Amino acid sequence: AQSVTQPDIHITVSEGASLELRCNYSYGATPYLFWYVQSPGQGLQLLLKYFSGDTLVQGIKGFEAEFKRSQSSFNLRKPSVHWSDAAEYFCAVSSLAAAGNKLTFGGGTRVLVKP
Amino acid sequence: DAGVIQSPRHEVTEMGQEVTLRCKPISGHDYLFWYRQTMMRGLELLIYFNNNVPIDDSGMPEDRFSAKMPNASFSTLKIQPSEPRDSAVYFCASSPRTDAGYTFGSGTRLTVV
Repeated sequence: AQSVTQPDIHITVSEGASLELRCNYSYGATPYLFWYVQSPGQGLQLLLKYFSGDTLVQGIKGFEAEFKRSQSSFNLRKPSVHWSDAAEYFCAVSSLAAAGNKLTFGGGTRVLVKP
Repeated sequence: DAGVIQSPRHEVTEMGQEVTLRCKPISGHDYLFWYRQTMMRGLELLIYFNNNVPIDDSGMPEDRFSAKMPNASFSTLKIQPSEPRDSAVYFCASSPRTDAGYTFGSGTRLTVV
């Protein structure tokens, strides 16, 4: 069965510093990988996605993620965080073989931004 | 497009009452998903539809939960009777196809007292 692990439950980062959120997946087929962000009281917003091709993908809000098949990882990065990046971030996996386009989500990483 | 629209945003009800949550997906999206989010269990897929047909309801916790999609523009999730442990945020999401990811609604925060 597919699974997604986000090892860090909380991360605190200073405004202007870089951010990296870890995501590891377990999946038998070629994965489709996603990162979502959830601001307090809001739904989840898609930041970026990877299906194939260039393993470094660019997303919205200045985020990028790198797919490393050998490490089964899809880590999210941002060079310089803004106070508005404080939110919860979810990694998710699906595949063409996944019945009905189902996404499996990780447990999330809550990011706090210090001024 | 207005995105995925859920109503109500907040619902407070007494234990034993029937609760109905509503969702309008994005026009043209063939897939619709209902998720529940709690602190303890995170995001759980309850049920999903493809072209208005329920495909997988294995995540529906009990017979007290039911979902319908009478047409391509409307879905409901009903809990009858409701219990305090049903308190959570319920999200609806829609997707046009396998590789597109989901668009989520803003959610309904349900509190059962």
